Parts: sequence; C-alpha cells; structure tokens
Amino acid sequence: EIVMTQSPVTLSVSPGERATLSCRASQSITSNLAWFQKKPGQGPRLLIHGAFNRATGIPARFSGSGSGTEFTLTNSSLQSEDFAIYYCQQYNYWPLTFGQGTKVEIK
Amino acid sequence: QVQLVESGGNVVQSGRSLRLSCAASGFTFSTYGMHWVRQAPGKGLEWVAVILYDGSNKEYADSVKGRFTISRDNSKNTLYLQMNGLRPEDTAVYYCAKNGAAWAAKHYLDHWGQGTLVTVSS
Repeated sequence: EIVMTQSPVTLSVSPGERATLSCRASQSITSNLAWFQKKPGQGPRLLIHGAFNRATGIPARFSGSGSGTEFTLTNSSLQSEDFAIYYCQQYNYWPLTFGQGTKVEIK
Repeated sequence: QVQLVESGGNVVQSGRSLRLSCAASGFTFSTYGMHWVRQAPGKGLEWVAVILYDGSNKEYADSVKGRFTISRDNSKNTLYLQMNGLRPEDTAVYYCAKNGAAWAAKHYLDHWGQGTLVTVSS
C-alpha cells in the first residue's frame, strides 16, 4: 500500500497570505495525485488532479506541482472560505490512499 | 449538474448488515466508475471500494475485503454498498464519489455526495 504523508499537520495563515502544503508518497506515483478540500458537514471538493490540473470551477489561486514522490499544493492568497482541511490522494495504485490531512487555520 | 445522494445510513449492532445506496443524476452514470469513501469521527478520509462503469471489475480496501460488496444498477443510476459483519471501527460517514474520467481511465474522484452516517454499536 502506498503511504501518503502530508506536512505540516496544521498551518496557521493570515487572510491574503500564501499557503504551501506538502504531500509525499512512499514510492513513485508519477503524476497520479489529487488534492481535495474538506469542510465540516460537506463532501470533499476536488481541487487538483494529475498533480497540477485545476478541477472545473476552482479559482486560479490554487495550484499544484510535483511528480514522482513529492507534491505541493499552493494557495497564493488565502480567502476566508479557504480555511479547511486539505487531503492529497494517490490513484496510481490500488488501494487508493489519502494523506492524513493538513488543517489550514486562521492565524 | 452532477448530484450524488447517499442514503441507508443507520445505527446498527456489531455483526449486523446494512446496505447503502447512492442515487446519481446529471451525468451518464453507465460510463463512469464509482467509489465509496468513508470518514470515521475525527479521522481522515479512507477509500473503501470502486466499481468500474460496467460492473466488470471491483477493488476493495483490505479493511473491508470479504465483508463489503460494491454493486451498481445502471438502469436505475444507483450505486450500492452491502456491508456485512459490521464492526464498531466501521462507524463513519460514507460518501459515494464519481470517477473523474470516463470508462476505465484515471481514478480521481471529481464529485462527491454529502454522505450518510453509519454507526455500529458494540
């Protein structure tokens, strides 16, 4: 099973600031990596797939990068609605696996 | 627009069975793989199972293999999860999710339902 490790566990950021989240895979997953945003009481929302492709309707302030084992999600200017938990997920191998999440909170 | 509506969640005793349903609309259901993903209270997301667009292939997480069965009825645009031998550690919100790519292509999850809560008491 591919283990996905996210860092940091919690990220404290002020509105308008930049946030950078990391995700590492235990072995190469090429570019088969997705990022999700999760808020309480809601289903997850796909942000990025294929490591860097923004999903439909996702604002340009979200961007993804990386390949192989190291990936990054960047939010260039945090808005109030962006404070949430973010998960990465690999889909190169079965079983699909998620990282443990990074909570982005208001500083 | 894509809509996924889960139902069937309930409180059940350990060892019992439950069947979840997911009603899909807004897309051609029969051309997309479908998934179940769960989130235990205070925990992260855990992928549970997938079924290909035509039901020809299924994959499961080790934690549910042999106990849970994923199925679909393309004539009813509905996804199912039959859960047998439930355990307290199966307590979670269960989400159905649509594959982002049609047919048997890349398995990223582009639309999710709101979830249904399953509570297994000991």
